[in-house]
Amino acid sequence: EVQLVESGGGLEQPGGSLRLSCVASGFTFSRYEMNWVRQAPGRGLEWVSYISSRGSNISYADSVKGRFTISRDNAKNSLFLQMNSLRAEDTAVYYCARDRAFDALDIWGQGTMVTVSP
Amino acid sequence: QSVLTQPPSASGTPGQRVTISCSGSNSNIGSNTVNWYQLVPGRAPKLLIYINNQRPSGVPDRFSGSQSGASASLAISGLQSEDEADYFCAAWDDSLDGLLFGGGTKLTVL
Repeated sequence: EVQLVESGGGLEQPGGSLRLSCVASGFTFSRYEMNWVRQAPGRGLEWVSYISSRGSNISYADSVKGRFTISRDNAKNSLFLQMNSLRAEDTAVYYCARDRAFDALDIWGQGTMVTVSP
Repeated sequence: QSVLTQPPSASGTPGQRVTISCSGSNSNIGSNTVNWYQLVPGRAPKLLIYINNQRPSGVPDRFSGSQSGASASLAISGLQSEDEADYFCAAWDDSLDGLLFGGGTKLTVL
């Protein structure tokens, strides 16, 4: 079964850090570009970051640029998001998503909740 | 504020056809393909339409997409109660060098 499973979310204070992980199974992870997308409570979807299949190309939303770092370990079928200098507005469910091509995100994880609060 | 503009809400009765619009600009929809997602509370987002008008396997042909210039639309025919959900358009933006999502449209089946 093609699957993505996120972990690493939780409650963190403003200014703190969290590292999200996403483990892929059921497909050749190293062949696919990957993204992180978030959904704040009561809000819509917001793209966070993109990484190419080999990790050579990376992009970030302006809202997280300089604070978040995306990375991947193809040998371990894993995607990561290092989140530093967290802010209240980073509170959201974070999804990892596979890019099938042309930015079409066809496989999504179940999401991991990140709450930033004192 | 999202630069892909969708109506906040849409509605229809069972069996009807509804259309959801997505308005962008030359740097996003005008230059790149549009994808549509369905969000049901408590579930992961689902890819509904990709490359403007293609349906992934398993998506009913009641769902169709189109794109013209800097605008796109999602049409749902033969509306069913299970279609009640939030729908989001998305396209890469060359100016922002990032993926943009529309603000979302909440579809209510009356």
